[in-house]
Amino acid sequence: DSGVTQTPKHLITATGQRVTLRCSPRSGDLSVYWYQQSLDQGLQFLIQYYNGEERAKGNILERFSAQQFPDLHSELNLSSLELGDSALYFCASSVGPARRQYFGPGTRLTVT
Amino acid sequence: EDQVTQSPEALRLQEGESSSLNCSYTVSGLRGLFWYRQDPGKGPEFLFTLYSAGEEKEKERLKATLTKKESFLHITAPKPEDSATYLCAVLNAGGTSYGKLTFGQGTILTVHP
Repeated sequence: DSGVTQTPKHLITATGQRVTLRCSPRSGDLSVYWYQQSLDQGLQFLIQYYNGEERAKGNILERFSAQQFPDLHSELNLSSLELGDSALYFCASSVGPARRQYFGPGTRLTVT
Repeated sequence: EDQVTQSPEALRLQEGESSSLNCSYTVSGLRGLFWYRQDPGKGPEFLFTLYSAGEEKEKERLKATLTKKESFLHITAPKPEDSATYLCAVLNAGGTSYGKLTFGQGTILTVHP
């Protein structure tokens, strides 16, 4: 158990819909990261927050957005969902931006 | 752009048959190279961090090494429970990519009893 929690574990929704994925980092970690893992793309970095502020951005689609709240939990919002958005979404946390990242168990999103 | 290439894509070993996985990388400023293990449907589990060429780390049957262009994960006398996907990632040192991990596609290791 890494100490990072993610909810829900599974999510099935239809194209065009909007969903919110939630992540609680390990106690004491200030940085939160979001990754997308699909069979053909591997593990892709989406976005990073540090103590409530955005620090780095990967190839995150404009339909996707994230935020980190004062209690340090983070949410990833995915809107206008397409079939290709079906993937595993992982949250990771670390003490700081350039430190070891601990991954959560992931949320499996299926868009039908 | 940071790039990580892992080889082979898949590796099948007999129990006790030692081997190595390769991770080649290009990064503008290496802050660290990480190895993770991932079981199907689960989150990556941290194994090692290497920071500079010549560094080596060991844990049970695994040993990771680092040069200026690549890293190797050596598996000695593997057991079936070592079967998993092994992921290599580089951490960029600066600029707008600070803290960003770039992952390779992974090596799927299967160890047969």
